Amino acid sequence: AQKVTQAQTEISVVEKEDVTLDCVYETRDTTYYLFWYKQPPSGELVFLIRRNSFDEQNEISGRYSWNFQKSTSSFNFTITASQVVDSAVYFCALSEPNYGGSQGNLIFGKGTKLSVKP
Amino acid sequence: DVKVTQSSRYLVKRTGEKVFLECVQDMDHENMFWYRQDPGLGLRLIYFSYDVKMKEKGDIPEGYSVSREKKERFSLILESASTNQTSMYLCASSFGVQTQYFGPGTRLLVL
Repeated sequence: AQKVTQAQTEISVVEKEDVTLDCVYETRDTTYYLFWYKQPPSGELVFLIRRNSFDEQNEISGRYSWNFQKSTSSFNFTITASQVVDSAVYFCALSEPNYGGSQGNLIFGKGTKLSVKP
Repeated sequence: DVKVTQSSRYLVKRTGEKVFLECVQDMDHENMFWYRQDPGLGLRLIYFSYDVKMKEKGDIPEGYSVSREKKERFSLILESASTNQTSMYLCASSFGVQTQYFGPGTRLLVL
């Protein structure tokens, strides 16, 4: 069965610390997509990244980086030198186009609430 | 930039009222989705639509209906609102299996 697990419910760090948000997934297929979204206190889900299952290259975007490891079914997200503005709930999600239909329905993890204190 | 808008950010309704939540996207996306988000339960899919006048049930469709008369607009309808439908409602749209883009959300309180 497909499933996304974000074991960390809440994380609290002090500004400038590095922090890693874990995401472990289960999938029925060899073709799938993984996503990270950020939800700030305003409520809107903001898209951060999308990876397909055939591309295991790690990605870096400014202070954000993502580590995709198929061997451990993980897609972890690291924020380097965290800032107060990074405080939000972060969701990892999985899409299986061969099962979810052409709509690419998403399976979300429960989210990790990150608090960055000054 | 993809733009998904929702008709209200905050809404207060009384039990038994009929409630309409509207979502509009400007990117000609064929797929549109309605989710609700509750503490501890994450995001759950209510309904989705892959074309005009087409709809499919998600994980929790009970108590809800939807309407998609135009490609850019997807409405969520609570026929008779109940207190257990107090929640955050999020709309999203996508093209094929591509990324879903979300609206700002509507916080609905049913008294």
